[in-house]
Amino acid sequence: AQTVTQSQPEMSVQEAETVTLSCTYDTSESDYYLFWYKQPPSRQMILVIRQEAYKQQNATENRFSVNFQKAAKSFSLKISDSQLGDAAMYFCAYRSQPLGNQFYFGTGTSLTVIP
Amino acid sequence: EAQVTQNPRYLITVTGKKLTVTCSQNMNHEYMSWYRQDPGLGLRQIYYSMNVEVTDKGDVPEGYKVSRKEKRNFPLILESPSPNQTSLYFCASSLRPASGYTFGSGTRLTVV
Repeated sequence: AQTVTQSQPEMSVQEAETVTLSCTYDTSESDYYLFWYKQPPSRQMILVIRQEAYKQQNATENRFSVNFQKAAKSFSLKISDSQLGDAAMYFCAYRSQPLGNQFYFGTGTSLTVIP
Repeated sequence: EAQVTQNPRYLITVTGKKLTVTCSQNMNHEYMSWYRQDPGLGLRQIYYSMNVEVTDKGDVPEGYKVSRKEKRNFPLILESPSPNQTSLYFCASSLRPASGYTFGSGTRLTVV
């Protein structure tokens, strides 16, 4: 089974600053999908950004971007201009190809935004 | 509104009393899945389904059952709940692997 590792249980960032959350994964597959999910205190799981492994270009969504290093099996999330509403638990996730059945999550990083 | 609806949001039950958590999606998604979330462990997949009548085990299926008789519904059944099944449960659906999952609001289950 694939494993997803988030080595930072907790992170903090000053409002308006930039923070990077780390994620590594282990797989023998060449095609797969990677995701970052946000879970605020409301406990709702919200998709933040996704990356297809065959694409070399890093995905971006407004203030959120990823640094995808396929050879290193690394998938970090960068949050620019951090806002108070970014405070949440962030989960990295891996989804297999081609069937897409298996979906693996990391253990999460709790992000605090300091005013 | 496109969504995944799961009920109930909170449930307290006693050991051994059968229960069902319902899940329904209105997006015509092929894929559906159940997860449990425990502190320090992230989310772990219990069961998944690729289509009607097609289900398979995830990483932690013991003590759970599912069925997919209709495309929109994917209930989670605990035939004989035990305290170690106390957890936060999520149902999710997706159109295709690349699109990621859309999650329901979660069910907080306590088994005493």
